[in-house]
Amino acid sequence: ETGVTQTPRHLVMGMTNKKSLKCEQHLGHNAMYWYKQSAKKPLELMFVYNFKEQTENNSVPSRFSPECPNSSHLFLHLHTLQPEDSALYLCASSHVGTGGPYEQYFGPGTRLTVT
Amino acid sequence: GQQVMQIPQYQHVQEGEDFTTYCNSSTTLSNIQWYKQRPGGHPVFLIQLVKSGEVKKQKRLTFQFGEAKKNSSLHITATQTTDVGTYFCAGLRDSNYQLIWGAGTKLIIKP
Repeated sequence: ETGVTQTPRHLVMGMTNKKSLKCEQHLGHNAMYWYKQSAKKPLELMFVYNFKEQTENNSVPSRFSPECPNSSHLFLHLHTLQPEDSALYLCASSHVGTGGPYEQYFGPGTRLTVT
Repeated sequence: GQQVMQIPQYQHVQEGEDFTTYCNSSTTLSNIQWYKQRPGGHPVFLIQLVKSGEVKKQKRLTFQFGEAKKNSSLHITATQTTDVGTYFCAGLRDSNYQLIWGAGTKLIIKP
């Protein structure tokens, strides 16, 4: 148990569905991250939030929409996905100081299948 | 843009043999972190190296950070089945403190 929880753990959705992934951290960290992990790209950073503000968006398609209502919660809203979006979606959190981010703690991930 | 290249992509070893993975950055890094992901699991932080030329050990694992702070390695002595997984390096970029991830090296123990 790393102090980062993700729900659901598994999700199957059609291309026309709308769903959301949820992440919660209980570590008092001030930064949260979404990663995509697939066979093609082992660990691909999608979004970064520092102090609830998005600081990084690595050219992610608009069908992925992040939301960070507070420093403990992070959502990834999904709509009109494609089959190639099937992957493991990992959430992570870390403390960020003046020297940059400290080590990241990952949640167990959501295994997403788009049919 | 700045990249962190990690090699090899896979390494097959007999149990008891050594294993090494290397990371190389195109520019100087503030620090480098190492993570391990077991099959079916999520990445777990192992260690962080900050100083030029730093060497740290965790039991059979030895981590090194190059003098120029552009490369790093992880060496496992006498691998065991519990070492199986993918090892990732992640370098901290000086300019904007973004963590740049290597592609990972998968350690496979031959049956």
